[in-house]
Amino acid sequence: ETGVTQTPRHLVMGMTNKKSLKCEQHLGHNAMYWYKQSAKKPLELMFVYSLEERVENNSVPSRFSPECPNSSHLFLHLHTLQPEDSALYLCASSQVTADTQYFGPGTRLTVL
Amino acid sequence: GEDVEQSLFLSVREGDSSVINCTYTDSSSTYLYWYKQEPGAGLQLLTYIFSNMDMKQDQRLTVLLNKKDKHLSLRIADTQTGDSAIYFCAESWGTGFQKLVFGTGTRLLVSP
Repeated sequence: ETGVTQTPRHLVMGMTNKKSLKCEQHLGHNAMYWYKQSAKKPLELMFVYSLEERVENNSVPSRFSPECPNSSHLFLHLHTLQPEDSALYLCASSQVTADTQYFGPGTRLTVL
Repeated sequence: GEDVEQSLFLSVREGDSSVINCTYTDSSSTYLYWYKQEPGAGLQLLTYIFSNMDMKQDQRLTVLLNKKDKHLSLRIADTQTGDSAIYFCAESWGTGFQKLVFGTGTRLLVSP
């Protein structure tokens, strides 16, 4: 397994459900990121973890809860989402001091 | 705040050159990037340029940077149908971890 992987690739959930998105990187990086990609909008940075510590929370609603148990894994816990939260959620990783982020394939989330 | 702008759509014939343009606002950006996103996939890093460079060439890709005008372009020589995708320009800034600001993306359509 190489690069950045995300599971599941597709997720459909109701507004009352609780689910989690998982990201794993096999690149030896020490920073990980969650982005939201909605139709016709630029990618929005949601959270950044640097050396397993959250260093950025970009005014994201509390119904999104990130978790970074170690430098290789990143989760996004979802609860009581709204239909407008339907989007492609992308995970990325990088070295803290390096110049390039590498992205996973994304999870396509649909909230009914 | 930071803002990155791109035209939404570009259509070319196979074998022609494609030029995708981007303007950005943050003159302190360290690096500028081009990412490619194919349907249903995450973002693939194509190339990047350090802010003190004017040009970078990588096989069929040529990146031009005009710092004075804050203008970045990506030229794809001999465009192929497999180049059809959405191309995102991004600028980086921040210390301690890398923060990327993305444009809305340019959809490139290559017709046979």
